[in-house]
Amino acid sequence: SSELTQDPAVSVALGQTVRITCQGDSLRSYYASWYQQKPGQAPVLVIYGKNNRPSGIPDRFSGSSSGNTASLTITGAQAEDEADYYCNSRDSSGNHLGVFGGGTKLTVL
Amino acid sequence: QVQLQESGPGLVKPSQTLSLTCTVSGGSISSGSYYWSWIRQPAGKGLEWIGRIYTSGSTNYNPSLKSRVTISVDTSKNQFSLKLSSVTAADTAVYYCARGSIVGATSWFDPWGQGTLVTVSS
Repeated sequence: SSELTQDPAVSVALGQTVRITCQGDSLRSYYASWYQQKPGQAPVLVIYGKNNRPSGIPDRFSGSSSGNTASLTITGAQAEDEADYYCNSRDSSGNHLGVFGGGTKLTVL
Repeated sequence: QVQLQESGPGLVKPSQTLSLTCTVSGGSISSGSYYWSWIRQPAGKGLEWIGRIYTSGSTNYNPSLKSRVTISVDTSKNQFSLKLSSVTAADTAVYYCARGSIVGATSWFDPWGQGTLVTVSS
């Protein structure tokens, strides 16, 4: 079982704002990173740290964190944002091992 | 721009050892404070972190796979490798290699290889 919990599926109307969440005890100590994965493709980093976007990621993607919950927000969702989204952080054991959330399937209506 | 590419057999028999190599291009595997990871994804399922290695040779593994996993690095070839022993059908997955970074409380994987499908079947 994953130490990071995500909702399996979320939907958003085109152009609206959606928040995808990730919960876990380790998020009280560590930031999450977020990955977008489209069918048949490798995951792509979209957010890391407090709220950092790699080069080439649109500024409609943003991240935040509070307590044991990290959030990925897409402001003005586009059709091309339909994908699976995974959060990642370190485990809560203190051994700095990697752990992924189960993933959230985002549907843009 | 650093790129990663996985290579290895696409079919492995049950009980045998899965062996994959990740070749790093566009930069030295030894430069910077990075680590190098393997991550897998069974069809239709989520991502699973397998383990990582620093170029010093220090490794960390997923506890659920630790008894079967070995990750090694060959800096002269700019490669790192994965060996997973005693495989079963449950090990059938797309295997990704990725570069990892840690800065304080922040960690992330970027870039990723394109992934390679490994099927365990007789």
